[in-house]
Amino acid sequence: AQKITQTQPGMFVQEKEAVTLDCTYDTSDQSYGLFWYKQPSSGEMIFLIYQGSYDEQNATEGRYSLNFQKARKSANLVISASQLGDSAMYFCAMREGRDGGFKTIFGAGTRLFVKA
Amino acid sequence: DTEVTQTPKHLVMGMTNKKSLKCEQHMGHRAMYWYKQKAKKPPELMFVYSYEKLSINESVPSRFSPECPNSSLLNLHLHALQPEDSALYLCASSQASRSTDTQYFGPGTRLTVL
Repeated sequence: AQKITQTQPGMFVQEKEAVTLDCTYDTSDQSYGLFWYKQPSSGEMIFLIYQGSYDEQNATEGRYSLNFQKARKSANLVISASQLGDSAMYFCAMREGRDGGFKTIFGAGTRLFVKA
Repeated sequence: DTEVTQTPKHLVMGMTNKKSLKCEQHMGHRAMYWYKQKAKKPPELMFVYSYEKLSINESVPSRFSPECPNSSLLNLHLHALQPEDSALYLCASSQASRSTDTQYFGPGTRLTVL
C-alpha cells in the first residue's frame, strides 16, 4: 500500500499567487516526521520544511508552510507569493520513528509550473 | 552549514569500466545514504551507513559497492554496470540521533552507462 500519496502530478500557478500541494500519508507509528523537498531540473534535492508528529503547531519556513492535519493524515505544502524560481518537482516524504530504520518514504512528486 | 558535496557532477562510463562516486559532508552527521533516481521518479534508497556501519542493504546488484572510510565520507564503487543503471545518484546525510532526523542531500552525480 502507498504510504505517501501525492495526487497532483502537475500544477500550474500564477506568479505571486499562493499554491497548495497535497500530500497524504499512512502509518501506524506514533512517532514520525514529514518532510517536503524541492528538486529543480538541476537535480539537487533541497530540504524545505519538516513537521514532527508530536508538533502541535504547523511548521513554517519563510514562504513555505505545512498544513498538518493529523486526524486526516495529511501534510499539505503551501507556498505563498509564488516566484518563477519555484518551478520544480516537489516531493513529500516521511520517516517513521519506531520501525523506520533510517528509511525515507517518498511520494511520487508534484511538478509545479509558475507562470509569469 | 548544511552542505553535502558530491563528485563528479557528471560521469559517462562503459560497461567494462570501474569508477567511483564520492560524497562528503561537514555537518558532523553520523548517517549517510546513497539513492538512485530515475527520471520522473522519486529517489530509491540503495544503502545506509549509520556510525560507519552498513545498516540497511537493499537488494542492490553487487556491481554497486559502498564504502564508508569515516563518518564524513561515503563512496560508491561501480563495476560492470549496465545501461539501465544510468540515473541520478544522490548522496544524503542525517544526524542519526533518531530515525526521523532530516536528511540533507548533495547535488547528485548524473551517470550515463554506454
